[in-house]
Amino acid sequence: SQKIEQNSEALNIQEGKTATLTCNYTNYSPAYLQWYRQDPGRGPVFLLLIRENEKEKRKERLKVTFDTTLKQSLFHITASQPADSATYLCALNAGGTSYGKLTFGQGTILTVHP
Amino acid sequence: SAVISQKPSRDICQRGTSLTIQCQVDSQVTMMFWYRQQPGQSLTLIATANQGSEATYESGFVIDKFPISRPNLTFSTLTVSNMSPEDSSIYLCSVVRDRGGNEQFFGPGTRLTVL
Repeated sequence: SQKIEQNSEALNIQEGKTATLTCNYTNYSPAYLQWYRQDPGRGPVFLLLIRENEKEKRKERLKVTFDTTLKQSLFHITASQPADSATYLCALNAGGTSYGKLTFGQGTILTVHP
Repeated sequence: SAVISQKPSRDICQRGTSLTIQCQVDSQVTMMFWYRQQPGQSLTLIATANQGSEATYESGFVIDKFPISRPNLTFSTLTVSNMSPEDSSIYLCSVVRDRGGNEQFFGPGTRLTVL
């Protein structure tokens, strides 16, 4: 069956350091992969999308890589700030007739300490 | 982006009753989805709400338990029927903009507690 694993349930880092979150998947051929941020009591907020034929995407302090051979995505937050503390979710979509239907990982709780 | 509101934001219900959750979007969208997020868990897709036709349910979810209406392109409802404590979850609707990318915009969620 399809499986998505975010390798760390929780990640604690110091302010200013780079946070690196991992998303691995099995039995899946995603057309694209997305990263979302979720704060307590709120719905997820879209951050970045990367397609199967792309290796890397950047947006301000955020960077996503996508390796379809390793079946892995890495999500980086550089120069992290306490305001970056949240749960980060990766989500995959197979495209085609499954357009729009996302399968989510269990999330990584990131805490950035001042 | 799309602005999405949900009603109610939270509710506490008795076992055996039903609750209808509303989702309102500030613009017309073709694709609208309903997700469930159980305590401490990630999001699981319940169904795709199709305008003008029956919703499409994912494995493990059935229409009798989670009937969905989609009367127009800006509104949908999800009903949680004959509730049990196992239905205690956060229920979220989401949309994909018709002319946007593939990113989804989520409502704030409805926190349901079943006693």
